[in-house]
Amino acid sequence: QKEVEQDPGPLSVPEGAIVSLNCTYSNSAFQYFMWYRQYSRKGPELLMYTYSSGNKEDGRFTAQVDKSSKYISLFIRDSQPSDSATYLCAISGNQFYFGTGTSLTVIP
Amino acid sequence: GAVVSQHPSRVICKSGTSVKIECRSLDFQATTMFWYRQFPKQSLMLMATSNEGSKATYEQGVEKDKFLINHASLTLSTLTVTSAHPEDSSFYICSAREQGLLETQYFGPGTRLLVL
Repeated sequence: QKEVEQDPGPLSVPEGAIVSLNCTYSNSAFQYFMWYRQYSRKGPELLMYTYSSGNKEDGRFTAQVDKSSKYISLFIRDSQPSDSATYLCAISGNQFYFGTGTSLTVIP
Repeated sequence: GAVVSQHPSRVICKSGTSVKIECRSLDFQATTMFWYRQFPKQSLMLMATSNEGSKATYEQGVEKDKFLINHASLTLSTLTVTSAHPEDSSFYICSAREQGLLETQYFGPGTRLLVL
């Protein structure tokens, strides 16, 4: 079983839609949860970082962690074409693990 | 803060030559730096982890004699692709962990290598 599982998509939504991106993980010892955004031919950019269960909000982005279910989510409200990118979840404890990434396209 | 740079951003070389890629943490000290490889529309593949002043730890299947990694200071790591071949053409990305903060990584912009 992989440490982190992420649906690769691709996901295509109309502009203004709410987007939900998800990952599951296997080891309850993981403590830190991150979401990265990667545009084509660019390095990943740290988008959100959370430590505990619950929600963290930053503008149109909300990161949610459910440690009891070992499930993390990223919600994007009022999605824009500029949000079109690949989104990677990442989890760390003693080691760092990335999901495979979900490709998102927001259609104008 | 937490800016990582890479140089060059793009390089084209002939088969058989060696290419050096630099990764720098500009505004923090990086205890650990990571080197990834990414093929088009695929996920990041960790190649190696380097700690300042010590030998790099390579992932299974990555040839350490072909991909030479040096982490001479807390702000600089280099990856040298020796005797490059067309199959080495890829997008190489480094990342860095800030000293004292182990829980996240900051990525460089990547280097696109094309071997002719």
